[in-house]
Amino acid sequence: NAGVTQTPKFQVLKTGQSMTLQCAQDMNHEYMSWYRQDPGMGLRLIHYSVGAGITDQGEVPNGYNVSRSTTEDFPLRLLSAAPSQTSVYFCASSRGSGQPQHFGDGTRLSIL
Amino acid sequence: GENVEQHPSTLSVQEGDSAVIKCTYSDSASNYFPWYKQELGKRPQLIIDIRSNVGEKKDQRIAVTLNKTAKHFSLHITETQPEDSAVYFCAPVLSGGSYIPTFGRGTSLIVHP
Repeated sequence: NAGVTQTPKFQVLKTGQSMTLQCAQDMNHEYMSWYRQDPGMGLRLIHYSVGAGITDQGEVPNGYNVSRSTTEDFPLRLLSAAPSQTSVYFCASSRGSGQPQHFGDGTRLSIL
Repeated sequence: GENVEQHPSTLSVQEGDSAVIKCTYSDSASNYFPWYKQELGKRPQLIIDIRSNVGEKKDQRIAVTLNKTAKHFSLHITETQPEDSAVYFCAPVLSGGSYIPTFGRGTSLIVHP
């Protein structure tokens, strides 16, 4: 199993551009989530999904959209990039609530 | 997350010393209490977890203890080694809301050789 795969690993955008961060898992996990990590802030939940067709907002959802059309994929869309969205983004999956999170390697995103 | 506090934010120890990191949470109905380790530039990885029906769990040099009455759980690392240097996060699953773990802000552990 590859686990959780995130692409791209690095990306530089200009303010106002849009893009999609990809996340795929091959463990048949129901739960998937997106976090952003900023210095001194830990990991903050952006959006999450408890199954295909179901998504919900986390702590910091503004400026981001998600969809979950399949169990495997959970893409994160930046609608109009802003410098405040410069961060490292992690996708994670788990079998369910109260189960260990499996993280991807992260995407380092810079917005100029 | 605002309902999870982790202390200290930085911990510096000499190789061979013990290290203790404490995590306090607000939700008395929480039932899953994991700790994650993140090395520089890497992904967070689970190192140990405990569930609400157990008070303590050990795995070689690491242990987690849970005090549900006081709503805190702690990570204990004995005989620290330089490779233990990393950022450690507690991430309890709070019962109200997302069912997704709420991460503390992290503790940077530095083990000096």
